[in-house]
Amino acid sequence: QVQLVQSGAEVKKPGASVKVSCKASGYTFTTYAMSWVRQAPGQRPEWMGWINAGNGNTKYSQKFQGRVTITRDTSASTAYMELSSLRSEDTAVYYCTRVAYWGQGTLVTVSS
Amino acid sequence: DMVMTQTPLSLSVTPGQPASISCKSSQSLLHSDGKTYLYWYLQKPGQPPQLLIYEVSNRFSGVPDRFSGSGSGTDFTLKISRVEAEDAGVYYCMQSIQLPPWTFGEGTKVEIK
Repeated sequence: QVQLVQSGAEVKKPGASVKVSCKASGYTFTTYAMSWVRQAPGQRPEWMGWINAGNGNTKYSQKFQGRVTITRDTSASTAYMELSSLRSEDTAVYYCTRVAYWGQGTLVTVSS
Repeated sequence: DMVMTQTPLSLSVTPGQPASISCKSSQSLLHSDGKTYLYWYLQKPGQPPQLLIYEVSNRFSGVPDRFSGSGSGTDFTLKISRVEAEDAGVYYCMQSIQLPPWTFGEGTKVEIK
């Protein structure tokens, strides 16, 4: 069965960076794109970006352009999302998703 | 960006009664490949969204048949024929025809009386 397992919760100071991983299993990793979506408390989900796991091509939301980098390691069937220049408004649960399948979420807290 | 507008924003339903949620997009979600990229999710507290319906009207694996989706172009509806207690949560519509970005509706909170 398809599983997406994310790395654990993070606490970061403003200005720092965070890198969240998403390990996929149960399917051929390079066959499907992976998106990253975040959800602040009480808010709707917000799409951040996408990677073609086969060729590594990426697309990013304009809102996060320049601050977000999505990569993948095909040998480890793992996708990564790195967000830099963190601010308090980036406090949210971050998900990797293949549309039908979602990781369990990673809480990133930005606080001084 | 594509705007997704859901109504109502909250709904209180008696078990066994039907429920309906509307989602309107600011542009057509019909792709040149013939598919319409509109999805419905249910999110329960502390969980990721779970896919109910994909491409307007297709139930995802394991989703009960009391859930159905319909619509075309810019107007879409999710219906629950007979609400059960486990259907409580926040329902989101989402579009993926425009990339970037995908966009979600603001959510409809369904409470079971």
